[in-house]
Amino acid sequence: KQEVTQIPAALSVPEGENLVLNCSFTDSAIYNLQWFRQDPGKGLTSLLLIQSSQREQTSGRLNASLDKSSGRSTLYIAASQPGDSATYLCAVNGGGSEKLVFGKGMKLTVNP
Amino acid sequence: DTGVSQDPRHKITKRGQNVTFRCDPISEHNRLYWYRQTLGQGPEFLTYFQNEAQLEKSRLLSDRFSAERPKGSFSTLEIQRTEQGDSAMYLCASSGTGVEAFFGQGTRLTVV
Repeated sequence: KQEVTQIPAALSVPEGENLVLNCSFTDSAIYNLQWFRQDPGKGLTSLLLIQSSQREQTSGRLNASLDKSSGRSTLYIAASQPGDSATYLCAVNGGGSEKLVFGKGMKLTVNP
Repeated sequence: DTGVSQDPRHKITKRGQNVTFRCDPISEHNRLYWYRQTLGQGPEFLTYFQNEAQLEKSRLLSDRFSAERPKGSFSTLEIQRTEQGDSAMYLCASSGTGVEAFFGQGTRLTVV
């Protein structure tokens, strides 16, 4: 059974810091890994998708990397801003299933 | 078409009542998913459609839950005889050939 872990559960940083968010998964036979952002009481916004054949993806100040063999992904946020404050979730699918298996998320607070 | 649309956004119902939620996916997306999210947790998979066929169901989906996707377009999720434990955010997502999953804003269900 696939399990996804995100540690720490929460992080508070001053504005301007470069951040690394971690995600680990137990079964390396994944199709895709996706990072999402969720604002309080809202749905999920897709940030980056990394397919199993890829090692990283970039979008603006965000960069996500994938190491399937070690079961890890990192989301790098450059020059954090207060508007980046949200919960960040990673999710994977694979093992013959289309469903996404999510971690519990990491709540990020960027202080001005 | 700007994204996945869910209706209603909020629903308060008395225990024992039936409720139905609707999801309109991004047009031309053939895959549609339902997830449930409780406070402090990541979304949990409920069910998955490819076109009108329901291909995967979670064990979380008890016999009080039923989902349909007639004609492979919009989908409905019905919960019969609601219980307080059904209180959660119900999220719908869709994906197409690009495999990236896009989520709606969710339906917040409160059972009193």
